[in-house]
Amino acid sequence: RKEVEQDPGPFNVPEGATVAFNCTYSNSASQSFFWYRQDCRKEPKLLMSVYSSGNEDGRFTAQLNRASQYISLLIRDSKLSDSATYLCVVNMEGTALIFGKGTTLSVSS
Amino acid sequence: DVKVTQSSRYLVKRTGEKVFLECVQDMDHENMFWYRQDPGLGLRLIYFSYDVKMKEKGDIPEGYSVSREKKERFSLILESASTNQTSMYLCASSLDTSDSGNTIYFGEGSWLTVV
Repeated sequence: RKEVEQDPGPFNVPEGATVAFNCTYSNSASQSFFWYRQDCRKEPKLLMSVYSSGNEDGRFTAQLNRASQYISLLIRDSKLSDSATYLCVVNMEGTALIFGKGTTLSVSS
Repeated sequence: DVKVTQSSRYLVKRTGEKVFLECVQDMDHENMFWYRQDPGLGLRLIYFSYDVKMKEKGDIPEGYSVSREKKERFSLILESASTNQTSMYLCASSLDTSDSGNTIYFGEGSWLTVV
């Protein structure tokens, strides 16, 4: 199975900072891309989908570069509540989702 | 509200015991999955199922089996538990595979300790 790779971090940032996470995937046949958020000892939950045109949801912006097989997540004006692990997820039709190992973010006051 | 229920949240079992982890979803989803999650290793797929009585091996099926006799229920079985199967197990379900990231839902996890 092809992999999804992320920088594990941890990223330690102060409140209000802007932080960016990167993810690369190895299978060019990948079709759908997502960011999931996982809090400590909780299940992963969908944060947002990622589209080639880029998409934004409040303070969160996701980008996809198919040519480079690269996905990013930008968080602006970080809040304490953003502290979590962020999972990059890739899907190919007919298969189960492939999860990266996650990037840990810690936002401090 | 979509719900994926893992009935056993915390279990302690002895080496060699047979262990059943049950998962039930209430959204009539075709697809169901079992993952385990370990520190530094992320989520790893054990088995998945696209339909009743159907199963596919994931990345780490060794030491596990599954059962899907009804659409809403997907059981993970450890035939003879070993200490290296101590982990957090996550069940998930989704509507279809073409865009399953938007519709995949996880249970709260089952924390298994094998002693």
